[in-house]
Amino acid sequence: QVQLQESGPGLVKPSQTLSLTCTVSGDSINNGTSYWSWIRQPAGKGLEWIGRIFTRGSTNYSPSLKSRVTISFDTSKNQFSLKLNSVTAADTAVYYCAREGRVGATKAFDYWGQGTLVTVSS
Amino acid sequence: DIQMTQSPSSLSASVGDRVIITCRASQNINNYLNWYQQKPGKAPKFLIYEASSLQSGVPSRFSGNGSGTDFTLTISSVQPEDFATYYCQQSYSVPPKTFGQGTKVEIK
Repeated sequence: QVQLQESGPGLVKPSQTLSLTCTVSGDSINNGTSYWSWIRQPAGKGLEWIGRIFTRGSTNYSPSLKSRVTISFDTSKNQFSLKLNSVTAADTAVYYCAREGRVGATKAFDYWGQGTLVTVSS
Repeated sequence: DIQMTQSPSSLSASVGDRVIITCRASQNINNYLNWYQQKPGKAPKFLIYEASSLQSGVPSRFSGNGSGTDFTLTISSVQPEDFATYYCQQSYSVPPKTFGQGTKVEIK
């Protein structure tokens, strides 16, 4: 059974860097078939895809966040991480990590972490 | 970016009702459309891929339809555990992977 678990500070000061880690069990993040994504959800609002990482560290980012986001691997720990710099209150949200696995001829977010609330406040 | 628009934003239904949620893409996405269910305080759950294929374990009262730009999610007889928010998501192009704004299904 694939499981994902987010970890990191729940409170970040404005202008600082938000850093989260997703620990994966039941699958290898280097399996060569799945993408590993970060998705966020402000309170009471919808889902916003932040970006993803694939084998050999190739990444895709949301154009609206690209200038502030870095997603990276730590294959030795089977983890991937999110860094979002220069945060503001608008970055306050529940952050999810998710696996984008192959289903049929396409891909979908088939496994999700439980989510972690990050609040940006001084 | 491909924009995904769901309607309605919310609806009220009684147990046993047929519920239909619509999702429209801003351009042709063939059948690259996924659906998710989210309950309060929980992560989304993957329901349907390629517009109409049920993920393993999803009850058969859920069905999806559509191709191109217009898609529907139908719950044939809504059950108490189905009251939740539903999101469509296009898997046609990246970046970004866009979601609809969600449809909240509430108990009447």
